[in-house]
Amino acid sequence: DAGVTQSPTHLIKTRGQQVTLRCSPKSGHDTVSWYQQALGQGPQFIFQYYEEEERQRGNFPDRFSGHQFPNYSSELNVNALLLGDSALYLCASSSYPQGGNTIYFGEGSWLTVV
Amino acid sequence: LAKTTQPISMDSYEGQEVNITCSHNNIATNDYITWYQQFPSQGPRFIIQGYKTKVTNEVASLFIPADRKSSTLSLPRVSLSDTAVYYCLVLYNNNDMRFGAGTRLTVKP
Repeated sequence: DAGVTQSPTHLIKTRGQQVTLRCSPKSGHDTVSWYQQALGQGPQFIFQYYEEEERQRGNFPDRFSGHQFPNYSSELNVNALLLGDSALYLCASSSYPQGGNTIYFGEGSWLTVV
Repeated sequence: LAKTTQPISMDSYEGQEVNITCSHNNIATNDYITWYQQFPSQGPRFIIQGYKTKVTNEVASLFIPADRKSSTLSLPRVSLSDTAVYYCLVLYNNNDMRFGAGTRLTVKP
């Protein structure tokens, strides 16, 4: 049983470009959340998707957008990249509602903006 | 604003028991508490989850007092490989996930 899988594992982008990160949730999970983790910091919640809709959102600008597909997989898109967007982007999956259900994380996608 | 707080760092020695406490104000009746372990350049790994009183699994115990305003992760007999950052995560209102800043545990020989 595969856990949460993310791709790509590492990528380098230039300031101003756009990036798409992908996540496949753990089998049986229908809820996907995305986090940004800067070096040496704790993960910061970006948004959560359930039933192909954004259900909750953290304090991130509209440059950060997402999508969830019918098979529950998800994408995170970041437009007009800034140097400060360099971070580890984590995807987490669970069943909805999450209370009492374990949330599992992928290994993350390292984004470097130069 | 709901917030979780935990110590920034802790040191321990191999074979000792380590207790890391997380404070979570405004926790509601149905909010769960989960602890994760994270190594550098890896995603957080689930350790244990609880709602009240005490939960134990093969790697840790979680103690939650009656008022539920704090919780304590207990790691028995730590080893060098337990050196990592430990995060307390509270599921406010069942879906609002807020990480603490993390506790950097260093286990010394």
